[in-house]
Amino acid sequence: GAVVSQHPSRVICKSGTSVKIECRSLDFQATTMFWYRQFPKQSLMLMATSNEGSKATYEQGVEKDKFLINHASLTLSTLTVTSAHPEDSSFYICSALAGENNEQFFGPGTRLTVL
Amino acid sequence: LAKTTQPISMDSYEGQEVNITCSHNNIATNDYITWYQQFPSQGPRFIIQGYKTKVTNEVASLFIPADRKSSTLSLPRVSLSDTAVYYCLVVMGASNTGKLIFGQGTTLQVKP
Repeated sequence: GAVVSQHPSRVICKSGTSVKIECRSLDFQATTMFWYRQFPKQSLMLMATSNEGSKATYEQGVEKDKFLINHASLTLSTLTVTSAHPEDSSFYICSALAGENNEQFFGPGTRLTVL
Repeated sequence: LAKTTQPISMDSYEGQEVNITCSHNNIATNDYITWYQQFPSQGPRFIIQGYKTKVTNEVASLFIPADRKSSTLSLPRVSLSDTAVYYCLVVMGASNTGKLIFGQGTTLQVKP
């Protein structure tokens, strides 16, 4: 199946700093990618839909000015957590649609810890 | 998107067959049923997808009754490495936006 990568796999930062997470489709082009957040012992929560060449669509309750999404190419979407705080510590997962059946392939996730 | 309901947790032993049932009473005509597996600190992995009756692949079978209001994921002869969270999702078919809404999932614990 299609491969989606994320970088970094884990990051630790100080409160107030910004962190960028990259999501790449390695062997296919993805006009649509998704960003999820997962807290410990909880399910994945969809944060936003990232569309190549246009603005992202955010789910209700997700602050677009805090979670900046850029999808500048068909193989790369980035999520920037601005002015991160400890409550933003979570597991961030991206996914991309691929194939004629629009199958969704997930990245390995990025563990963010804000001190 | 149709809401799904599945058991929070299940226990099994190595070598047994495990069946996880999911309810999706409000499934629409064009919706598909999809199951994902997730190990700790990893992204979900696609297991199987079906529309009706039975679908089988190399890792699992999916049984869907005629009314499609429920589905059962069957894992034959589980091993310790099958310990994971299993998510049942209903995916829109004809107008598939790709949005997936994850429920709570079923945590399967396989014991030796």
